[in-house]
Amino acid sequence: AQSVTQLGSHVSVSEGALVLLRCNYSSSVPPYLFWYVQYPNQGLQLLLKYTSAATLVKGINGFEAEFKKSETSFHLTKPSAHMSDAAEYFCAVTHNAGGTSYGKLTFGQGTILTVHP
Amino acid sequence: DTGVSQDPRHKITKRGQNVTFRCDPISEHNRLYWYRQTLGQGPEFLTYFQNEAQLEKSRLLSNRFSAERPKGSFSTLEIQRTEQGDSAMYLCASSVRGLREQFFGPGTRLTVL
Repeated sequence: AQSVTQLGSHVSVSEGALVLLRCNYSSSVPPYLFWYVQYPNQGLQLLLKYTSAATLVKGINGFEAEFKKSETSFHLTKPSAHMSDAAEYFCAVTHNAGGTSYGKLTFGQGTILTVHP
Repeated sequence: DTGVSQDPRHKITKRGQNVTFRCDPISEHNRLYWYRQTLGQGPEFLTYFQNEAQLEKSRLLSNRFSAERPKGSFSTLEIQRTEQGDSAMYLCASSVRGLREQFFGPGTRLTVL
């Protein structure tokens, strides 16, 4: 079984400040991890993914995340927040798309990021 | 536009009515997923197709729900005898076999009155 916990349903930062969104996962096999962003009334857009290559993953819009196996974490960061980063962010996990998982994603409950001017 | 498309974007219906949603995946993607997202929650897996075969269904998918993917192209999700608890955003995603990233459509927002 796999699960994702996102600590903090709401995060508020000032424009230009560091963004840190937390994600911890549980998986019985090596995971594949993703961060998606969702703007109001829209679908999900992939920010970045970890698929067992480099542990520090760079994504779009200046975001990056680091896979830490010992901490079962995959936190999302951005050095300097921009007003356009305000959205809801979802961490998701899957594993080997063979067997019975078929690559289905298990999502966290999401973190709403607010950016103040 | 070569992304995943969904139709309609919004659907308002009365309790007890049947509704059908359509998803058109990215053309070369053979894997197609349906998810449901309720307010304040992350998406939850409903069902998965590989080509035209429906290989997995979640326990969330009651017998009032049915999904098809004829000829392995577009997919439809039908809800019969809708209930207020069915109100949610229904998301479709597709991917290429061998890759894990899924590309999502804009979703269909269902409101059951």
